[in-house]
Amino acid sequence: ETGVTQTPRHLVMGMTNKKSLKCEQHLGHNAMYWYKQSAKKPLELMFVYSLEERVENNSVPSRFSPECPNSSHLFLHLHTLQPEDSALYLCASSQDQASGIARQETQYFGPGTRLLVL
Amino acid sequence: QKEVEQNSGPLSVPEGAIASLNCTYSDRVSQSFFWYRQYSGKSPELIMSIYSNGDKEDGRFTAQLNKASQYVSLLIRDSQPSDSATYLCAVRSGGGADGLTFGKGTHLIIQP
Repeated sequence: ETGVTQTPRHLVMGMTNKKSLKCEQHLGHNAMYWYKQSAKKPLELMFVYSLEERVENNSVPSRFSPECPNSSHLFLHLHTLQPEDSALYLCASSQDQASGIARQETQYFGPGTRLLVL
Repeated sequence: QKEVEQNSGPLSVPEGAIASLNCTYSDRVSQSFFWYRQYSGKSPELIMSIYSNGDKEDGRFTAQLNKASQYVSLLIRDSQPSDSATYLCAVRSGGGADGLTFGKGTHLIIQP
């Protein structure tokens, strides 16, 4: 257990459905991330939140919509997805170095949500 | 475009031998370097982090960094079958909340 939890662990959805992925971190970190892992491709950064503000959006289609209501929770809202969006979606958290704690920038990953879009 | 390159393998190593995993990166201003281990169907787990040129040892693992050559490596001594996994090299350019750029990973197989 890394202190980062994700729900659901598995999700099957149709292209017209709307669903949300949830991530919660219990590490006291102030930065959270969404990554996508597809077969045969490297882990791809999707979104970065620091102190509850989005600091990076890595050219992700608008059918993916992140939300960070507080420093412990992160959501990824999904709507009108495509079959090629099927992947493992990983949440991670870290302590933002700007807080003054040096070298505390290691990212810890949750177990992931395995998403299948039909 | 930041890139991290790894040989995808599989890399097959006899039990008890040293496994050597390599990684190169394109962004010269990269500051932080990480090795993650990922078992099939699981999420990445941090093995080592390294920030300065040279070697860093932790148990059976040694990370090596050469910023001039833009090269990072991971050595696993006394390899065990439980070390069989995919090893991901990750690089971070800035400090603070900055995403990681990952390589595709090297699939390591330790043969009993």
